[in-house]
Amino acid sequence: DTAVSQTPKYLVTQMGNDKSIKCEQNLGHDTMYWYKQDSKKFLKIMFSYNNKELIINETVPNRFSPKSPDKAHLNLHINSLELGDSAVYFCASSNQVNQPQHFGDGTRLSIL
Amino acid sequence: GENVEQHPSTLSVQEGDSAVIKCTYSDSASNYFPWYKQELGKRPQLIIDIRSNVGEKKDQRIAVTLNKTAKHFSLHITETQPEDSAVYFCAASKGSNYKLTFGKGTLLTVNP
Repeated sequence: DTAVSQTPKYLVTQMGNDKSIKCEQNLGHDTMYWYKQDSKKFLKIMFSYNNKELIINETVPNRFSPKSPDKAHLNLHINSLELGDSAVYFCASSNQVNQPQHFGDGTRLSIL
Repeated sequence: GENVEQHPSTLSVQEGDSAVIKCTYSDSASNYFPWYKQELGKRPQLIIDIRSNVGEKKDQRIAVTLNKTAKHFSLHITETQPEDSAVYFCAASKGSNYKLTFGKGTLLTVNP
């Protein structure tokens, strides 16, 4: 069983569209994260939720809105997509602070 | 906030040689230092981590050293193999929050 699963794996869409990425973890972890990995492979934290509560909100445009319906799920909705949003988005989870983070397989978002 | 510098950005070695990747961090309160390996098109995977109460940790061919005074830590891979070829990321975090700050990555190529 995949520990952290993301859907879709690939997302190709046009500028200005709205899209969502879903993430689910079956590890029983309390904390989930969204990372953005750009073309230079730089991994940057975007958001983190602990038991459905937002605890990390980096400098991310308001067009990005995370939602955590329960501690096993963390979704990312993006409005009015721009060319610069093209990247791989990784979901991750961990149990408590300073514990290993387990990553999903990523969602490759391409904006045309 | 925390800043993690990683060097070198690329590293090429012959199979069987050792490889060393170095990172420095800025926040003296950081106390957790994981290393991730990311193969092409795959998710980052934790390979080893170290906490600030330990100076060195080893797992088979991989070892990590930490110098808290100098605020730097290093990854050592011995007897490298072609399957060690990947991008390696160091990261740092502190116990007061869940934020993991990544270095910019090192592309390691092991030539047969």
